[in-house]
Amino acid sequence: DGGITQSPKYLFRKEGQNVTLSCEQNLNHDAMYWYRQDPGQGLRLIYYSQIVNDFQKGDIAEGYSVSREKKESFPLTVTSAQKNPTAFYLCASSAGQGVGDTQYFGPGTRLTVL
Amino acid sequence: AQSVTQPDIHITVSEGASLELRCNYSYGATPYLFWYVQSPGQGLQLLLKYFSGDTLVQGIKGFEAEFKRSQSSFNLRKPSVHWSDAAEYFCAVGASGTSYDKVIFGPGTSLSVIP
Repeated sequence: DGGITQSPKYLFRKEGQNVTLSCEQNLNHDAMYWYRQDPGQGLRLIYYSQIVNDFQKGDIAEGYSVSREKKESFPLTVTSAQKNPTAFYLCASSAGQGVGDTQYFGPGTRLTVL
Repeated sequence: AQSVTQPDIHITVSEGASLELRCNYSYGATPYLFWYVQSPGQGLQLLLKYFSGDTLVQGIKGFEAEFKRSQSSFNLRKPSVHWSDAAEYFCAVGASGTSYDKVIFGPGTSLSVIP
């Protein structure tokens, strides 16, 4: 089955540590996205990538980094610079790069900072 | 600036009752409009989307939405709610921004269904 996988489902981090969240898709989509979800705030865009080896900052990129070395993979690193990283993180992909293209979401990773 | 509002944070309905979830947007042109559903601890699934043409859009799971340009609204409806519809619902707008094009999500409406 085609889809998006995210791992791990739950992640615990100590303050001062960097952690990397995995996102893989086998939909052959060009565009991939990372969102952060906090209660009552909807989804906020962290980073997006429209093509391999290229990515752009979203609305809340500070304290995060990404890479796009392969079409199917778009890992997100939450660095120690992120002041409040506890949140639910969602990865998505879309076939095209336009705002009208449907985004398909993974099941998410819940990150908790201890 | 583009924005999406969902006036109802939480709604409770009885199983079999009708449902309407409200969505209002702020955007200068005709936007791309979406409704997504999220089950607890899961990702989002697209229910339906509107680009142009017929303002009444049919989606999956028996949902429909109506685009009203004069009211800048895109409300989601279902004639008879099932217990499995309990979830979080997000309205979203695809818009061209000053720096980049993006999809803007509303804050969500949580739906509870009473058996």
